[in-house]
Amino acid sequence: KNQVEQSPQSLIILEGKNCTLQCNYTVSPFSNLRWYKQDTGRGPVSLTIMTFSENTKSNGRYTATLDADTKQSSLHITASQLSDSASYICVVSPLSGTYKYIFGTGTRLKVLA
Amino acid sequence: EPEVTQTPSHQVTQMGQEVILRCVPISNHLYFYWYRQILGQKVEFLVSFYNNEISEKSEIFDDQFSVERPDGSNFTLKIRSTKLEDSAMYFCASRALAGGPDTQYFGPGTRLTVL
Repeated sequence: KNQVEQSPQSLIILEGKNCTLQCNYTVSPFSNLRWYKQDTGRGPVSLTIMTFSENTKSNGRYTATLDADTKQSSLHITASQLSDSASYICVVSPLSGTYKYIFGTGTRLKVLA
Repeated sequence: EPEVTQTPSHQVTQMGQEVILRCVPISNHLYFYWYRQILGQKVEFLVSFYNNEISEKSEIFDDQFSVERPDGSNFTLKIRSTKLEDSAMYFCASRALAGGPDTQYFGPGTRLTVL
């Protein structure tokens, strides 16, 4: 069954610190993997996208990595800011005609001053 | 920057009533989606729509659900007879290309509360 699991479930860090969020997936065949940021009560916003041939992708303070062999991805946030407080969701698209998204459980990040 | 819009932002309804959730996708997009997120749970795929027909639907999308693109801009999700367990945040999404890993853009969501 296609699944996407994330850890930790929640995380609290101090402003300015770095953190790394993990994603494991069983989706196969696999098209691409994305990280989305979701503020409370809002729709998800895309941060990064990687296809199976890409190992890393950066977007400002966000850096995503992908190991397609082990089916693992990570999202590293550097120099965290209060506005980074949100849920971070790993989303995998199977290689199918509709490219529907399979969402992970999300990691709820709280950045404290 | 173009964005997906959804109305209403919050809908409260009585169990058994019909509701229609509305979405206006980004204008040049070709694929449209509905997802839902029950409070505290992950986002779940409901249905995808392309070329004026459903291209894929999940097991959640039963006979009580229907989608329609009544004109060139709106994309609607109808729930015929709402149940308590339909209470959730419903997200519409759209993407540009008919193929390839193009990004889905999500609307802000409609919070549906069934009493």
